[in-house]
Amino acid sequence: ETGVTQTPRHLVMGMTNKKSLKCEQHLGHNAMYWYKQSAKKPLELMFVYSLEERVENNSVPSRFSPECPNSSHLFLHLHTLQPEDSALYLCASSQGLHSQETQYFGPGTRLLVL
Amino acid sequence: AQTVTQSQPEMSVQEAETVTLSCTYDTSESDYYLFWYKQPPSRQMILVIRQEAYKQQNATENRFSVNFQKAAKSFSLKISDSQLGDAAMYFCAYRSDNNAGGTSYGKLTFGQGTILTVHP
Repeated sequence: ETGVTQTPRHLVMGMTNKKSLKCEQHLGHNAMYWYKQSAKKPLELMFVYSLEERVENNSVPSRFSPECPNSSHLFLHLHTLQPEDSALYLCASSQGLHSQETQYFGPGTRLLVL
Repeated sequence: AQTVTQSQPEMSVQEAETVTLSCTYDTSESDYYLFWYKQPPSRQMILVIRQEAYKQQNATENRFSVNFQKAAKSFSLKISDSQLGDAAMYFCAYRSDNNAGGTSYGKLTFGQGTILTVHP
């Protein structure tokens, strides 16, 4: 139990669906992250938020839309996804953005796009 | 751009034995941080150990230790007295030191991962 929860844990959606992934951290952290983990590829950073402000958008297609309403919650809104977007989506948080700070990860949402 | 390479897709070890996972990285920076993360089958990734590049002393955390060779840009993880619970995917990761005026926030760059199997 690392204090970062993600829902749902598994999601199957069609290419025309709209869904949202939710992440919540109970650690009092100020920074939150979305990562994509595809099979046989390194983790890819998607978005970074610090104090609810987006500080990094790592060339992610617009069909992925993040939202950070407060420092404890982070959402990833999905629409018109492609089959290649099927992956494990990991949320993480850290106290701040300093490099020495540990990132704490959630269990991930396993997404399958049909 | 920094890159992290884990050349061993899979490793195996007998319970109670020692295993070493390899990691190399490429960077032109002098100040940075290196991490080993563990991702068990439950998928929750956790930090195993961290090394500051400015420290010459190798980091240790109980049965986990690293061999940090800055000149060779190598950062291997040694697991001693392996236990069944050590079975997982292990990721090596690099992060710039943003306090030294590097990238804006210090992007965490991961390697491809090494799957460790522990045999009873």
